Amino acid sequence: DQQVKQNSPSLSVQEGRISILNCDYTNSMFDYFLWYKKYPAEGPTFLISISSIKDKNEDGRFTVFLNKSAKHLSLHIVPSQPGDSAVYFCAASLVDSGYALNFGKGTSLLVTP
Amino acid sequence: DVKVTQSSRYLVKRTGEKVFLECVQDMDHENMFWYRQDPGLGLRLIYFSYDVKMKEKGDIPEGYSVSREKKERFSLILESASTNQTSMYLCASSLDGMQGYTFGSGTRLTVV
Repeated sequence: DQQVKQNSPSLSVQEGRISILNCDYTNSMFDYFLWYKKYPAEGPTFLISISSIKDKNEDGRFTVFLNKSAKHLSLHIVPSQPGDSAVYFCAASLVDSGYALNFGKGTSLLVTP
Repeated sequence: DVKVTQSSRYLVKRTGEKVFLECVQDMDHENMFWYRQDPGLGLRLIYFSYDVKMKEKGDIPEGYSVSREKKERFSLILESASTNQTSMYLCASSLDGMQGYTFGSGTRLTVV
């Protein structure tokens, strides 16, 4: 049973605007949430993470928001750039499981000029 | 920079062959992982290891085994390859939860 869900398989945004990628989870015990970015024929690269005790983490153009009561997190990219076009995976981990990550199915972001 | 190196980018194997996928990391990470990525299914955990000679089953371990004889090396073994094991295989290592994983570039395995 999938514990991390990304319900939007794809998203298209104009360059310069905000991209919002969403993720829902079912296990309230998750300790960390992470976002990865993946280009074709490459391994995913770590983008940003947030601890379950925080509600926001920011790193340059990327901000992750966590709403624990709704079991929902989102990644905001502002401003979006064509180089941001990639598949984005949301993931969650439990310390007790050796930090093994549960991944969502991914959202393909296309940023158009 | 942490490097995770997977020995092959592309592999073609025949049904029934024993297949070894090798992964080496150079940053003394305790935790190592094997995932497979399939269209529409995302990344699914096959096996992971949090110490030498330790292994834990992930979500889809059937048809696979692993070996971790040294801290830096984590091997995935397909005991008898089948066509439904055609996939992109990704190895990763990590120090802790907040820093996340460092992934290798992946091995695209085709079983014919």
